[in-house]
Amino acid sequence: QKEVEQNSGPLSVPEGAIASLNCTYSDRGSQSFFWYRQYSGKSPELIMSIYSNGDKEDGRFTAQLNKASQYVSLLIRDSQPSDSATYLCAVNAGNNRKLIWGLGTSLAVNP
Amino acid sequence: EPEVTQTPSHQVTQMGQEVILRCVPISNHLYFYWYRQILGQKVEFLVSFYNNEISEKSEIFDDQFSVERPDGSNFTLKIRSTKLEDSAMYFCASADFSSTDTQYFGPGTRLTVL
Repeated sequence: QKEVEQNSGPLSVPEGAIASLNCTYSDRGSQSFFWYRQYSGKSPELIMSIYSNGDKEDGRFTAQLNKASQYVSLLIRDSQPSDSATYLCAVNAGNNRKLIWGLGTSLAVNP
Repeated sequence: EPEVTQTPSHQVTQMGQEVILRCVPISNHLYFYWYRQILGQKVEFLVSFYNNEISEKSEIFDDQFSVERPDGSNFTLKIRSTKLEDSAMYFCASADFSSTDTQYFGPGTRLTVL
């Protein structure tokens, strides 16, 4: 059974701080990794994708991938109250590229 | 910017009734997916669809479920006889995979089975 695990939180950070979100996955064959943001009652919204070991930066967001440790993380710099949401880690699995999802980490950024 | 659309946004039905959830994927995409999310739980894969046939389905996707692409634009999920436990958000996604592995999600349909 392919699994994706996240700390459900809630993670609370003050405005302007760095938020660090973590994810582990079980399938060593996975090649594509995604971070989605989900507001309550809404659909997942893609934040970052990462395919290679190392860091990938996009604005205030940095995704980090370590395939040897089967670990993906997301850093949010200069956190804003509007970043308050649930962050979902998803991993591409199999030939049909279905996504396997973590439960999500709830992030609260306090003004 | 092209987007995936879903209708209805909210569907309320009685247990045992049939429901059809509709999706219009992004026009040049060839890969289609349905996922569901029960309140407070993980997003779960239901089914993938490519080249006018199911390419993969999960254990959840039993005989009560079916998918169809009746024309060149719509992609539907039918639940023949709804159960209370089918109450969830249902998300449609599409992808082309020519340049990216990204799946694009619709806004979802909230299904409530009474």
